[in-house]
Amino acid sequence: AQSVAQPEDQVNVAEGNPLTVKCTYSVSGNPYLFWYVQYPNRGLQFLLKYITGDNLVKGSYGFEAEFNKSQTSFHLKKPSALVSDSALYFCAVRRDTGRRALTFGSGTRLQVQP
Amino acid sequence: DAGVIQSPRHEVTEMGQEVTLRCKPISGHDYLFWYRQTMMRGLELLIYFNNNVPIDDSGMPEDRFSAKMPNASFSTLKIQPSEPRDSAVYFCASSPGVVGETQYFGPGTRLLVL
Repeated sequence: AQSVAQPEDQVNVAEGNPLTVKCTYSVSGNPYLFWYVQYPNRGLQFLLKYITGDNLVKGSYGFEAEFNKSQTSFHLKKPSALVSDSALYFCAVRRDTGRRALTFGSGTRLQVQP
Repeated sequence: DAGVIQSPRHEVTEMGQEVTLRCKPISGHDYLFWYRQTMMRGLELLIYFNNNVPIDDSGMPEDRFSAKMPNASFSTLKIQPSEPRDSAVYFCASSPGVVGETQYFGPGTRLLVL
């Protein structure tokens, strides 16, 4: 079985400050990890993924995430938040083999204040 | 590329009626996924196909739900008869058949069953 935990329902940050959205996972075997963002009344947009290699992954819109195998975490980060980053963020996981479907976390709402 | 296309974008129907949701995946993608998003259960997989063949339908709630993929460019998700608890946003996603593939989501169909 595989699961994802996003412990914070909402994260508030001031514009220009760094942001972190937390994600921990559980999967048997090697994980493939993903971050998606959802704007109101829109589908999910892919931000970045970790498959293998460098633990620090860079993605769209200045976002990055660090894979930490010992802590089974994949936190999303950005050095300087923008008001336009305000949205719902989902972390997802699947095994590197077998079933292709993603298991999603419950989502974290990011609110960036001007 | 136009991305994943879903229709209709919104559907309002009465309990007991048949509902058909449609999806056109990105050309060349081997995998197609149907997900459902609700406040209570978050994002959950319903079924996915590989090369038009259903691989995992363990997430399909009950016999009222059925999905087909008659060809590589079209899939349907049918609910018959519909019930108020089926009200949700239904997303279709597709991905290429490569290692660590990314799933690309459509805009979703917002279904309301009265």
